[in-house]
Amino acid sequence: AQKITQTQPGMFVQEKEAVTLDCTYDTSDPSYGLFWYKQPSSGEMIFLIYQGSYDQQNATEGRYSLNFQKARKSANLVISASQLGDSAMYFCAMREPPFSGGYNKLIFGAGTRLAVHP
Amino acid sequence: GAGVSQSPSNKVTEKGKDVELRCDPISGHTALYWYRQSLGQGLEFLIYFQGNSAPDKSGLPSDRFSAERTGGSVSTLTIQRTQQEDSAVYLCASSLALAGMGQRETQYFGPGTRLLVL
Repeated sequence: AQKITQTQPGMFVQEKEAVTLDCTYDTSDPSYGLFWYKQPSSGEMIFLIYQGSYDQQNATEGRYSLNFQKARKSANLVISASQLGDSAMYFCAMREPPFSGGYNKLIFGAGTRLAVHP
Repeated sequence: GAGVSQSPSNKVTEKGKDVELRCDPISGHTALYWYRQSLGQGLEFLIYFQGNSAPDKSGLPSDRFSAERTGGSVSTLTIQRTQQEDSAVYLCASSLALAGMGQRETQYFGPGTRLLVL
């Protein structure tokens, strides 16, 4: 069965520094998608970045980049130049293939709470 | 354009009462998902709709939970005879359609309904 593991319950970083949030996954299917979402205290899940299993390059979206190591089954999120507004919960998620019976549902990790200090 | 909306934003109810939670997906999104987030936990999948049909109900925790979608748009999640363990944030997400191999079809989330069962 597919599984997402986030081993860091909490992390802190100084403002303007870079931080890496870890995510490992387990699946036997060659086709999958990996997502990172941010959940601030308001509760809404905000999409940050996506990496497809067949993508040749690591995904980047502004200050967010994904360090995708397929052989190690890891998809770590790197946030560069941290800002105070980056303080939030961060969830890694995997999308099951659409015709595996999973219908694209997302499987989430337990999350990492990031605190950015001034 | 408008994002996913959910109502009510907060709901307090007494044990044994029925509640209805509403989700308005992004216009044109045919896929709709319900997830539940218990306190301090990650998200767990409840049910998936494609159009008005629900091909995947595997995450509904008991037969007290049901959901419907009408007109390929609005969805209602109903919890009958609520229990204290039903207290959680219920999140709705929508996406354009099922993704094929390597497509992203990101799920966009609403702000959630915070349910408290006393």
